[in-house]
Amino acid sequence: DAGVIQSPRHEVTEMGQEVTLRCKPISGHDYLFWYRQTMMRGLELLIYFNNNVPIDDSGMPEDRFSAKMPNASFSTLKIQPSEPRDSAVYFCASSTRTGWNTGELFFGEGSRLTVL
Amino acid sequence: KNEVEQSPQNLTAQEGEFITINCSYSVGISALHWLQQHPGGGIVSLFMLSSGKKKHGRLIATINIQEKHSSLHITASHPRDSAVYICAVRYAGNQFYFGTGTSLTVIP
Repeated sequence: DAGVIQSPRHEVTEMGQEVTLRCKPISGHDYLFWYRQTMMRGLELLIYFNNNVPIDDSGMPEDRFSAKMPNASFSTLKIQPSEPRDSAVYFCASSTRTGWNTGELFFGEGSRLTVL
Repeated sequence: KNEVEQSPQNLTAQEGEFITINCSYSVGISALHWLQQHPGGGIVSLFMLSSGKKKHGRLIATINIQEKHSSLHITASHPRDSAVYICAVRYAGNQFYFGTGTSLTVIP
């Protein structure tokens, strides 16, 4: 399996622009997580899905952020409009129900976002 | 307040040394995770604990629920163990909180 695939790996954009980050989980995994990592705050869980349904979005910082999972093999994290403080590395991770209960969580390589 | 504290923040060791990284949390949890982030940025899940001890190769993780404390031990450390180790706690309802990480450098 190719693992969790994220795109783009790097994105540089200007303040106010819309940003869309994409994630393809490992086939058969029914949990999908979006995390954000910054120097100041470290890793933070933004939202997670189970069977394509958002379960907990309490970590989403504000209404400018939205996440969708239209099917089992694809999820997006959108920021509109983007601000410089959104600059971070965004990680996607996936797991199975069994894996979730045993701690097996597979991370993508991250999308590094820079908002100028 | 749900806080996760790791110590030390930075650690430098000689190859072969026994290493301990600590994680303390403030309220009861349902599980605790240890993650490893490599210098290139990739993150690997090492362990999930809800009680006792787990071992994988040279890595050992322990948790004391009563003391709200977990440790990650590395035996016979090697330069390839150099990474940031992150503790994450999961509360009821699957709320996640992360420590700020411990940056480990193992010198040959």
